[in-house]
Amino acid sequence: GENVEQHPSTLSVQEGDSAVIKCTYSDSASNYFPWYKQELGKGPQLIIDIRSNVGEKKDQRIAVTLNKTAKHFSLHITETQPEDSAVYFCAASKKTGFQKLVFGTGTRLLVSP
Amino acid sequence: SAVISQKPSRDICQRGTSLTIQCQVDSQVTMMFWYRQQPGQSLTLIATANQGSEATYESGFVIDKFPISRPNLTFSTLTVSNMSPEDSSIYLCSVRTARDGQHVYNEQFFGPGTRLTVL
Repeated sequence: GENVEQHPSTLSVQEGDSAVIKCTYSDSASNYFPWYKQELGKGPQLIIDIRSNVGEKKDQRIAVTLNKTAKHFSLHITETQPEDSAVYFCAASKKTGFQKLVFGTGTRLLVSP
Repeated sequence: SAVISQKPSRDICQRGTSLTIQCQVDSQVTMMFWYRQQPGQSLTLIATANQGSEATYESGFVIDKFPISRPNLTFSTLTVSNMSPEDSSIYLCSVRTARDGQHVYNEQFFGPGTRLTVL
């Protein structure tokens, strides 16, 4: 079955810096890769996703890149702000039928003012 | 997206008792799921809630411990039975939405969670 590894487990940056979180997956048939942000005391929030037919997707300060050959994808946050502080989870699944999301282990991002 | 509400938001329970968590969605969705998130950990799928039939459980989870109901397309319950301190976790309801009733899209959304502490 699918296995998703996520690094780093914690990431501390200064406000205004960029942050990058990386995930690798094992099943080459996976073709859908969402990212979730979980703030303290809240449920995970879908912030961006990418499908395997594109290599990059951007939404304002966040972007996701996908390298299908290497089987890894990354979340990029530019101009970080203190409100970006949260735990971020990557996930992977196949698109056809019901295929459950397999989650990474999470990255705790701390943005210091 | 879908707006998902859960009740209760948190509870403290005694071991040996049971707690039923409710999940309500503001639109008809094709798929509903229940996840567990142990402290500081990632999300683990407990089961898929099927409308009008028995839930589909993941390895390591059984119906006697986590009975699930889904009487319609917008509502589901998860019961945590005969609780022990190891059941202390966040329990999350999650849905995938359908568009035009024809296709299931991968976008999956989560409720706010129920924070359970078992003493």
